[in-house]
Amino acid sequence: QKEVEQNSGPLSVPEGAIASLNCTYSDRGSQSFFWYRQYSGKSPELIMFIYSNGDKEDGRFTAQLNKASQYVSLLIRDSQPSDSATYLCAVGDSNYQLIWGAGTKLIIKP
Amino acid sequence: KAGVTQTPRYLIKTRGQQVTLSCSPISGHRSVSWYQQTPGQGLQFLFEYFSETQRNKGNFPGRFSGRQFSNSRSEMNVSTLELGDSALYLCASSSADRSYEQYFGPGTRLTVT
Repeated sequence: QKEVEQNSGPLSVPEGAIASLNCTYSDRGSQSFFWYRQYSGKSPELIMFIYSNGDKEDGRFTAQLNKASQYVSLLIRDSQPSDSATYLCAVGDSNYQLIWGAGTKLIIKP
Repeated sequence: KAGVTQTPRYLIKTRGQQVTLSCSPISGHRSVSWYQQTPGQGLQFLFEYFSETQRNKGNFPGRFSGRQFSNSRSEMNVSTLELGDSALYLCASSSADRSYEQYFGPGTRLTVT
């Protein structure tokens, strides 16, 4: 069974520090990887996607992919209280379907 | 470009009733996926429609069904509601050539009493 694993947290990070969120996946054939942010009571919002090994940067966000280790991470630099949310990792399978992790709750402490 | 819209936003039903939820995807998007989200279970995939055909289906009972119209709008139906069906129902759309990049609507909050 295809699985995506995330630490449920909460992960507590001081304001201004780097928040590091991690995700592992079981399907070695996966090619597409996504990070969604979900605020309490709201729907998930796509914030990053990565298809190739290495790093992809977008503003304060960096997605990192290591296919050999089946590991994808999201770094948030200069963390702000507004970054406090649940971050969902999703991996695309061969059937056009996203396999979802359970999410990591991130708390940024002022 | 307008985002994904879902109606209604909130719904209260009693056990045994049925309910129909609606989703209008982003203009030009032909794939619509439905999810159920509860605090204990996270995001659970219900089904996906592409060009009016169900392309994928999750592990939900037959009480949950859906359809997609020629304009890509989609509906999902839950018959014989149970208390455990209380959840946030989310619809997400994606374009034909980037099917994995899903964009979510605001959701419909269903409460079954």
